Amino acid sequence: GQQLNQSPQSMFIQEGEDVSMNCTSSSIFNTWLWYKQEPGEGPVLLIALYKAGELTSNGRLTAQFGITRKDSFLNISASIPSDVGIYFCAGPNSGYALNFGKGTSLLVTP
Amino acid sequence: NAGVMQNPRHLVRRRGQEARLRCSPMKGHSHVYWYRQLPEEGLKFMVYLQKENIIDESGMPKERFSAEFPKEGPSILRIQQVVRGDSAAYFCASSPQTGYHEQYFGPGTRLTVT
Repeated sequence: GQQLNQSPQSMFIQEGEDVSMNCTSSSIFNTWLWYKQEPGEGPVLLIALYKAGELTSNGRLTAQFGITRKDSFLNISASIPSDVGIYFCAGPNSGYALNFGKGTSLLVTP
Repeated sequence: NAGVMQNPRHLVRRRGQEARLRCSPMKGHSHVYWYRQLPEEGLKFMVYLQKENIIDESGMPKERFSAEFPKEGPSILRIQQVVRGDSAAYFCASSPQTGYHEQYFGPGTRLTVT
């Protein structure tokens, strides 16, 4: 399947700071999904993007579908301790399986 | 609880034993996907099933692994003669219909092979 590269690999920030992370692909995607996973739990869907250029928000989270359709960005504003977790981007391959990046690990200090 | 359910949450097996992992999709969902996650890695697709049909098993190892989603009851991922390399978290996801890319995940089963 297509390879998804996420950066940064990890982030260590203070509460209240804004966070930006991105995901790039070697191929075009028609859908981008962003998930958050906390320790010992399954991934939770945060935002789904379906159109190039689309900007979608979910509370303090905003995600964008890149114009080239080969990248996507996730921003978290005014981070809080419960934002801690691993954030994964994902996109469907030619079938219905999702390809996942390796994740961006976020740590927030009070 | 209307979410995806998986059990057991933790499973310990000795090398050579069988592991059976169960998944009940969200209410109203008829599509089930199984993924495996190794430590420090993203999720890797294994198999996609609809009721009584395997649609795509391209990510599943050819030997020892099998999956089913019967007409009644949960989807089962079965691993025969487990080896240490099978130790991982196994996640099930479900979606409501064909072509719908949003998948909703269960809490996972952590398999440890000793």
